[in-house]
This record gives sequence, C-alpha cells and structure tokens, in this order.
Amino acid sequence: EPEVTQTPSHQVTQMGQEVILRCVPISNHLYFYWYRQILGQKVEFLVSFYNNEISEKSEIFDDQFSVERPDGSNFTLKIRSTKLEDSAMYFCASSDRTVSNQPQHFGDGTRLSIL
Amino acid sequence: AQSVAQPEDQVNVAEGNPLTVKCTYSVSGNPYLFWYVQYPNRGLQFLLKYITGDNLVKGSYGFEAEFNKSQTSFHLKKPSALVSDSALYFCAVRSKGYGGSQGNLIFGKGTKLSVKP
Repeated sequence: EPEVTQTPSHQVTQMGQEVILRCVPISNHLYFYWYRQILGQKVEFLVSFYNNEISEKSEIFDDQFSVERPDGSNFTLKIRSTKLEDSAMYFCASSDRTVSNQPQHFGDGTRLSIL
Repeated sequence: AQSVAQPEDQVNVAEGNPLTVKCTYSVSGNPYLFWYVQYPNRGLQFLLKYITGDNLVKGSYGFEAEFNKSQTSFHLKKPSALVSDSALYFCAVRSKGYGGSQGNLIFGKGTKLSVKP
C-alpha cells in the first residue's frame, strides 16, 4: 500500500537556525497537509496546500513557516528561525481529490528538537 | 467552532473483552468523523470514517464506530480486544473547507488504550 514518507525521522537544531522538513506524499494525491504534535498534547493543524498554493493555515502557521512543492514529488515545511517551542513531532499528510471525503494519510513524522 | 472531545485519557481492558473508546463532537452542519490510531514512534493510521448513511461504521482491524446524532457521539468499539490493539486513539472531525480546500482535521486529545493479557 502506498505510503507518505517523511525525512529525517529526527532533526536536532540550534535555536535560531533554519530547518526544512521533507515529505513525499502518495503519488496520485493532490491535497497536502502539515500537522504538529507537541509532546503530550493533541495533534494540531498547521497548513493545507493544493494546486501549488496554500489553501488554509492555522494561527500557528506564522511568518516563520513556509511550505513548498519544489518538484513533482516533494512537499517541504520550512521554519525560518526556530524557537524552543517549535520542538514537536511534525506530520505530513496527503489525500486524494478524485474521490470525495477520502481520509488523509499520514507519514510517520519528523521529531524536531530545538536546543 | 468545531471541536472533538475524548473524555478518557486512558482505557484499560482485558484481552478478549469488548472495548469502547468515547468521542463526542461539536459541529455546525453535518459532521465528517474519523478515527485514527497511533502506535509508538509511528504516524496516524486511518481506522474508519463516518460521512453519511448507516450509523454503524466498520473499519480496519475489526474496529467499528457508532454515530449517534442525538448524543453527538462517535464511540469506537471492538467486540474482542487484542493486546496488539494497545495504542493511542484519536477521534477527529473534518472542518469545512473553503475555496479549493477539503478542510483540515480537528483532533481530540487522544485516548491511550491498554489491553492486558
């Protein structure tokens, strides 16, 4: 069964540094998402992306965050200047548009640790 | 605003016994409801969804969920629990999408299911 893949599985970064989290969504999916899960808290929506532009974003997704689909397969999340509170698990997800109400399929996540 | 509540932080069940993980929701309009499971160090795996139709929805690994509109609930159930079902379970509702968006998922805080032999 096709999967969403995320790299790296764990990223350790100094505060203030830029970080890029990478995702390869399922190949025929057209909707892409980023969520995050701070340790011990609920999974929170960050941003959705369709047709090469942001569809929706939450209030968490401020100017420090950006997303990009640089080629036909990758979907990236960039945090420009990381803060301690950015430490979390970041999940990428994708879904199919051709059939309505399809579930989002999640990757295994990237654990981001800010020192 | 749409929201999901999972009132139990943890549910403990003996193997072979039935299990229920509770979820209630608050939405305007018709709800699109989902259950996901998260095993340690893994992402969220889709279990089942309710969009419309029969109130009893069957999903993966023998799980099912009952949609109850009057009680605004969508409890996850399984007739006979396995030790391997031990994991974190998340209920979610899909928000209304705008423009080209399908809407994002709004998750409950999760319920840890522990099945003992």
